[in-house]
Parts: sequence; C-alpha cells; structure tokens
Amino acid sequence: GQQLNQSPQSMFIQEGEDVSMNCTSSSIFNTWLWYKQDPGEGPVLLIALYKAGELTSNGRLTAQFGITRKDSFLNISASIPSDVGIYFCAGNQAGTALIFGKGTTLSVSS
Amino acid sequence: DAGVTQSPTHLIKTRGQQVTLRCSPKSGHDTVSWYQQALGQGPQFIFQYYEEEERQRGNFPDRFSGHQFPNYSSELNVNALLLGDSALYLCASSLTQGRGQETQYFGPGTRLLVL
Repeated sequence: GQQLNQSPQSMFIQEGEDVSMNCTSSSIFNTWLWYKQDPGEGPVLLIALYKAGELTSNGRLTAQFGITRKDSFLNISASIPSDVGIYFCAGNQAGTALIFGKGTTLSVSS
Repeated sequence: DAGVTQSPTHLIKTRGQQVTLRCSPKSGHDTVSWYQQALGQGPQFIFQYYEEEERQRGNFPDRFSGHQFPNYSSELNVNALLLGDSALYLCASSLTQGRGQETQYFGPGTRLLVL
C-alpha cells in the first residue's frame, strides 16, 4: 500500500541529545500526525497538525507542518531513556484514509 | 474516560479459519477505522465505518469485512485466513466533524497469528 517517506529509519543517540526526524509525501496533505508506538502496544498520538506552517509543541516534542504541505518534522529535545520506541508520521488529504510512514526506531543509551 | 479498547489481545488461528475482532471507540467518538500492521511496517488502512456503514476502504480483499453497531462499536471479520494475515490489527476511533481533519486515537491492538 501507499506509504510516506519517513527518515531516518533508525537512530542511536545518547541521553540528553536532541533528535530530529521527518516525513515527506508526494501529495499535499491537510493533516499531519505524529505517533509513538511501544512494542506490543498501539500507536499513541503525540502531536496533531492541521495548518501549513503550524508549529506545535508537546513538552520536549515539537512538530511542524511544512509550508509546501508535503512534509513534516518532529524534534525531541534532551532525550531520556523513556523516549525509546518507534515514531510514526501519518497524514491525509481531507476525508481520505490516513497514510503512515514506515517508522523511525529510536534507541537512547544512558 | 475510557480510551479505545480491543478484544481479544491475542489470537491464534489456522489457515482457512475465520476470525472476528472487536473494538469499542473512545467515549464521544462515532467513527472507527481498522488497520493492519505487519512486523516492521507502519499501519495499513483496511476500512472505516461511520453511521454503521463502510465509508472508505483500503486495498484489502473482500475476505476482510466489518460492521459497526448503533453504539459505535465495531467488528472486523476475516474469512479464509492466510498465513500472510498474521499481523497486529489496530482499531482507531475519531469524531466526524465534517472538516476531514479528524484525529484518530488507537487501541492496543489484537495480535493475530495464523498457523
């Protein structure tokens, strides 16, 4: 099925470092969502974006809806061990199904 | 406020069997979407139910069918199971507000293994 281009595929960082990941789409989206998924669990919503250029924060997490409406990024500042997991971007055009990226696996060493 | 719930949590079936998975949406939500997530992949959209009807469908065969009840809960049925149907099946609920930007909240998933 159709998927977004999400990068990087995996990241290995030290505790305290900042992290950045992004997603690109060939289509214009109306919504960008960022989820975190722990092993054996369902995705948990982190940030939802609805307007081009929108910059939204949730604690140490910041995400932006790209001006072209074809991309989005997620930043995590001062990473901690509980940030470990798989981060998914997802987006859609109005009234269409959500499309997911393949995920970025984050590992944090203390 | 209960979030999205799914049952069962795990299921083992053999090829050719049929399976039914269940989902209760988050309180106040009226729309349920189902996804299949293979190991190492992002969720793939199966279909979405709203007002007890299938509103959208992804690229899945007719062996995958569903239902939504008046209380907004939903079932996913898969007939003639194949080994490739082994995956985590996720249910997501949202509130349809007519703007096409409804945020979806996921349940914990049902892990299906087909032997």
